[in-house]
Amino acid sequence: AQKITQTQPGMFVQEKEAVTLDCTYDTSDPSYGLFWYKQPSSGEMIFLIYQGSYDQQNATEGRYSLNFQKARKSANLVISASQLGDSAMYFCAMREGFETSGSRLTFGEGTQLTVNP
Amino acid sequence: ETGVTQTPRHLVMGMTNKKSLKCEQHLGHNAMYWYKQSAKKPLELMFVYSLEERVENNSVPSRFSPECPNSSHLFLHLHTLQPEDSALYLCASSQDNRGHNSPLHFGNGTRLTVT
Repeated sequence: AQKITQTQPGMFVQEKEAVTLDCTYDTSDPSYGLFWYKQPSSGEMIFLIYQGSYDQQNATEGRYSLNFQKARKSANLVISASQLGDSAMYFCAMREGFETSGSRLTFGEGTQLTVNP
Repeated sequence: ETGVTQTPRHLVMGMTNKKSLKCEQHLGHNAMYWYKQSAKKPLELMFVYSLEERVENNSVPSRFSPECPNSSHLFLHLHTLQPEDSALYLCASSQDNRGHNSPLHFGNGTRLTVT
């Protein structure tokens, strides 16, 4: 079974509007972390936002916020006031377990976001 | 330079060639990673180095051979590759504190084409 599921292969949004990118995850580990990355056409993976499984509040970073619903195992990324430069591939990722060395992230298949002028 | 730097950006090699990918991080991190990104597939973790010790070898074929001479440098040595090995190879680094909030910082990747 997939550990990270992103059901939206592609999304379109008008400039200045908000958009939600979906992510659901599967783990039996009570301790885990969730990450979102942005990958422009240049190829670099850019870290956007992080949510820990024990965090009480939803994470926010500027125009990015994470709608964390633990019981539903979802961690949707919300981008407010979309900009043309937000057009990119977006990946949800998860790290399970604290005890092992290295931050082994499992990634979803990604969502291609296109912001229209 | 800052961040994570990968060279070369593009590489075309024949199946009998030997080549190496290089990664250098300037972030003071103590863990480094190789990921493979193929078209229409999620990123696949290949190798993890923590404190210069390999701690993960994710069932990667032996034609891929990593090397981590110090905490700032990571290499991926390639030999007798197959066409299906064509992909974007991403290097990353992180501060390994065995905690959750240690994001990976990625380089721009090396686009590898095996002919």
